[in-house]
Amino acid sequence: AQSVSQHNHHVILSEAASLELGCNYSYGGTVNLFWYVQYPGQHLQLLLKYFSGDPLVKGIKGFEAEFIKSKFSFNLRKPSVQWSDTAEYFCAVNAPGGNTDKLIFGTGTRLQVFP
Amino acid sequence: DTAVSQTPKYLVTQMGNDKSIKCEQNLGHDTMYWYKQDSKKFLKIMFSYNNKELIINETVPNRFSPKSPDKAHLNLHINSLELGDSAVYFCASSQVRRAEQFFGPGTRLTVL
Repeated sequence: AQSVSQHNHHVILSEAASLELGCNYSYGGTVNLFWYVQYPGQHLQLLLKYFSGDPLVKGIKGFEAEFIKSKFSFNLRKPSVQWSDTAEYFCAVNAPGGNTDKLIFGTGTRLQVFP
Repeated sequence: DTAVSQTPKYLVTQMGNDKSIKCEQNLGHDTMYWYKQDSKKFLKIMFSYNNKELIINETVPNRFSPKSPDKAHLNLHINSLELGDSAVYFCASSQVRRAEQFFGPGTRLTVL
């Protein structure tokens, strides 16, 4: 069965600090990978996604993620965080094909950015 | 334009009651989902419908019954509500095989 691990449960940073959030998945086949963000009191929004091609993916708001197949990882990065990046971040994986689009989510990482 | 909408946004009710949450998407997607987000923010899929047909049913108590009158709507009916049902319920939709899902604003259910 697929699973997703996010080892950083709570990250606290000052503005302008660099960010890296870890995400590892367990599935041996082809996967689609996602990072979603949930701002306080809001719904999930897609930050970026990887289906195929260049393993370095750029998303919205200056976020990027790198897919490293050999490490089963899809870590999220941002060179300089802002207070407005305070949110919950979820990594998710899906195995394409078949008739379903079932997303498996990680447990989330809470990011707090202080001015 | 709201892509995925849910009503109500908040729902407070007593144990034992029956309640429904409605979801509508105007994206023309074929597949819709219900997720439950618990107090620790963990998101877990409950159901998935593709063109009004149930595709995924993830070991959810049969007190929960999804209903899809058409492919733009997926409603969730919950019978005999329990304290443990308190959570935020998110509806989502996607095109089949594309896997990118669009989420609604959530319904915060509180069972007293």
